[in-house]
Amino acid sequence: GIQVEQSPPDLILQEGANSTLRCNFSDSVNNLQWFHQNPWGQLINLFYIPSGTKQNGRLSATTVATERYSLLYISSSQTTDSGVYFCAVERWADKLIFGTGTRLQVFP
Amino acid sequence: GAGVSQSPSNKVTEKGKDVELRCDPISGHTALYWYRQRLGQGLEFLIYFQGNSAPDKSGLPSDRFSAERTGESVSTLTIQRTQQEDSAVYLCASQSSLEDTEAFFGQGTRLTVV
Repeated sequence: GIQVEQSPPDLILQEGANSTLRCNFSDSVNNLQWFHQNPWGQLINLFYIPSGTKQNGRLSATTVATERYSLLYISSSQTTDSGVYFCAVERWADKLIFGTGTRLQVFP
Repeated sequence: GAGVSQSPSNKVTEKGKDVELRCDPISGHTALYWYRQRLGQGLEFLIYFQGNSAPDKSGLPSDRFSAERTGESVSTLTIQRTQQEDSAVYLCASQSSLEDTEAFFGQGTRLTVV
C-alpha cells in the first residue's frame, strides 16, 4: 500500500519563528489533507490540497503531486500552534492513509 | 448534525467485557472511517464504509473487532472480550464521497480497559 512519511518527527520553536513541515508519499493520490491535532486530541482540518497552493492566515500549504510531496508552512508561530500535524492521502476509491505526524511545540 | 458525533466520550471497562462505540456522521456523508490512536502514536486505520458496505476491513486487529453501519448513517464499532491493549482513542471520520472531498473527524472515544 501507499506509504506516507512526514518530517521532521519533532519540532521545537520559539514563538514568532517560521517552520516548514513536509509530507512525502509513495504513489500518486487524488486527495491530500493536512490536519492539526490539538492537545485535547481533536483533529482539525487545515487544508484539502491535492495539488497547488493554498493560504489561510499564517498557514499555507503547497502540494506538488507530480513529485509526490506536500509542504505545510507556519509563519510567526504561536503557542496555540502546538500539537501534532498530520497529512493524509487517498488514492482513487481507497482509504485515507495518515502519515506519522510532526509533533510541534511552540514556547513563549 | 453539524459535525461528526461520537459516543461515549470516555469509556472505562473491565478486561473481558464487550464495548460498543457509536459514530454519527455528518448528514448525507456516504463514506465513514474508523481509526485507532494509541497514546502518543499516529492514526491506525481500522475499517471504512461506503454506504452500508465495508469494502476494506483489513485494519481490524482481530476477530474481536467488528463494525456495522445502517441506513447509510450511524455506525457502531464493537470490541468483544476487551483486552488492555485495546485501550486507545477511537476516532471516526465521515466524507461526502469516497474521493475528492474532505474528511471530518469526531472528538473520539477514549477507551480504557482495566
